[in-house]
Amino acid sequence: QSALTQPRSVSGSPGQSVTISCTGTTSDVGGYNYVSWYQQHPGKAPKLIISDVNKRPSGVPDRFSGSKSGNTASLTISGLQAEDEADYYCCSYVGRYSYVFGTGTKVAVL
Amino acid sequence: QITLRESGLTLVKPTETLTLTCTFSGFSLTTRSVGVSWIRQPPGEALEWLAVIYWDNDARYRSSLTSRLTITKDTSKNQVVLTMTNMDPVDTATYYCAYTEAAGYGDKVRFDYWGQGTLVAVSS
Repeated sequence: QSALTQPRSVSGSPGQSVTISCTGTTSDVGGYNYVSWYQQHPGKAPKLIISDVNKRPSGVPDRFSGSKSGNTASLTISGLQAEDEADYYCCSYVGRYSYVFGTGTKVAVL
Repeated sequence: QITLRESGLTLVKPTETLTLTCTFSGFSLTTRSVGVSWIRQPPGEALEWLAVIYWDNDARYRSSLTSRLTITKDTSKNQVVLTMTNMDPVDTATYYCAYTEAAGYGDKVRFDYWGQGTLVAVSS
């Protein structure tokens, strides 16, 4: 199972919006609505910020949103804030109770 | 409140076997749908899903590591153990365990809760 493809980095100024893509295949992203996104600050464990393509867990700011079209999922951060500077990973269920993560994207707040 | 904590040797030699333990609280691995996964992250690199074990003892592995990985559970101790044989320097990583639920049985088909991770170095 190959890793899902994400851009290496994206950047934006405070208040702007950025979108991170996560491209897979019909065997993962395109085949299931079990796409999740994780935020990871340096030296910390990943934190779930989006589940089931577009659901926000309790406590996650509504500036984080998710979507999916075909084999590509996307995470949008609207109204970028300094604390959003982190690494972001997508993850997809791939059937047979297994998973695959994305290659990761570093978000820089300029 | 669900918590998980990884433990085990932090330095192993090439060709040795790594044994990691995930001790958890706030849930039971006898509850239908519940599972615990292991995920690793080499320094400066991406997350990599390794293995999962579910309440019914069903275990699944990353296809490229199937021959080297074994995951087991001890429900009486609330622990999940991952063993990885024939360790190599490329296996140097932070290893995490995380709570999940089985597709078709539960609705948390993702990783809601994570341990803090344990850094394992492979070096002679």
